[in-house]
Amino acid sequence: GENVEQHPSTLSVQEGDSAVIKCTYSDSASNYFPWYKQELGKRPQLIIDIRSNVGEKKDQRIAVTLNKTAKHFSLHITETQPEDSAVYFCAASRGNEKLTFGTGTRLTIIP
Amino acid sequence: DAGVIQSPRHEVTEMGQEVTLRCKPISGHDYLFWYRQTMMRGLELLIYFNNNVPIDDSGMPEDRFSAKMPNASFSTLKIQPSEPRDSAVYFCASSRLAGVSGELFFGEGSRLTVL
Repeated sequence: GENVEQHPSTLSVQEGDSAVIKCTYSDSASNYFPWYKQELGKRPQLIIDIRSNVGEKKDQRIAVTLNKTAKHFSLHITETQPEDSAVYFCAASRGNEKLTFGTGTRLTIIP
Repeated sequence: DAGVIQSPRHEVTEMGQEVTLRCKPISGHDYLFWYRQTMMRGLELLIYFNNNVPIDDSGMPEDRFSAKMPNASFSTLKIQPSEPRDSAVYFCASSRLAGVSGELFFGEGSRLTVL
């Protein structure tokens, strides 16, 4: 089955700087890569996703890039703000199969 | 829609007791997922249903865990007997589609503590 690895497990950045979280996946047939954000004590929520026919997708201060050859994808957050502090999960799936989540990255924005 | 509704939000029980967690998915969603979240293992998929039918229960840790979905608007996850290592946050999620385009909508979770 699919295996998703996520790095780093924790990340601290100064407010206003950029943050990058990286994930690798094992199944070359995976074609859907969402990112979920979980604030402290809250439920995970989808923030952005990318499909395998696209190399990059951007939504305001967040962007996701996908390298199918290397089987890795990354989340980029620019101009970080305190409200970006959360745990971020990447995930992968193929077709209509279940999502496999990474282990999460705890992002802390330092004021 | 009120979103995915889970109960109870918090449960504290003693080892050996039966625990039942409940979930009401978003109306019209064909898929329902049960996840367990711990610090060590992150988000683990336990089981998921499509149109009330269990599709993949390979994540259910052992026979002490069971899940049912008697109708499109209700599911339960039962642990009997419970053990301290079952302490975790259990999330229910629903989606219209699995995988591609299948945004998961999570409930607020049920925090289980087994003493």
